[in-house]
Amino acid sequence: AQSVTQLDSHVSVSEGTPVLLRCNYSSSYSPSLFWYVQHPNKGLQLLLKYTSAATLVKGINGFEAEFKKSETSFHLTKPSAHMSDAAEYFCVVSDFSNTGKLIFGQGTTLQVKP
Amino acid sequence: DAGVIQSPRHEVTEMGQEVTLRCKPISGHDYLFWYRQTMMRGLELLIYFNNNVPIDDSGMPEDRFSAKMPNASFSTLKIQPSEPRDSAVYFCASNINGQGAYEQYFGPGTRLTVT
Repeated sequence: AQSVTQLDSHVSVSEGTPVLLRCNYSSSYSPSLFWYVQHPNKGLQLLLKYTSAATLVKGINGFEAEFKKSETSFHLTKPSAHMSDAAEYFCVVSDFSNTGKLIFGQGTTLQVKP
Repeated sequence: DAGVIQSPRHEVTEMGQEVTLRCKPISGHDYLFWYRQTMMRGLELLIYFNNNVPIDDSGMPEDRFSAKMPNASFSTLKIQPSEPRDSAVYFCASNINGQGAYEQYFGPGTRLTVT
């Protein structure tokens, strides 16, 4: 079965410093992987997606993620945090059974300090 | 495109009352998903539809919850009778099979408070 594990429930960084949000996945098949962001009292917005093309995926707002099959990881990074990046981030894997169903991680809260 | 539309955005009701949440998916999308989000349980998939047909309702917590999709552009999630523990944010999402690696597009959510 597919699953994702977000290794940190809470990450705190200072504005202008790098961001690293960690995600490991489990899949019997070549997965499709996503990162979604949820700002306070808002819906979920797609940040980026991996679909078996380039292993380094660039998303919106300067975020990127690297698919590493050998490590079963899909960590999200950003070189320099901005105050507006403070939000909840979800690592997500698609269900292999072609249903369009997504499997969400528990989420990581990113705090950005001035 | 207007995106996924949900109504109402906020709902406050008393225990025992019936609550109906509404969702309009993105035009042309053939999958529709209902989620519930709470602090304690995170994001939970309740039910999803394909071409207006319910495919998997194993996430529906109790018989008090029901969902329908009478046509491709409208779905409802109903709770009857409502209880305080149903208080949560309910999201609707849609996607189109075989496109975009199944990424889902989420609505803004309905914040439900049951007193």
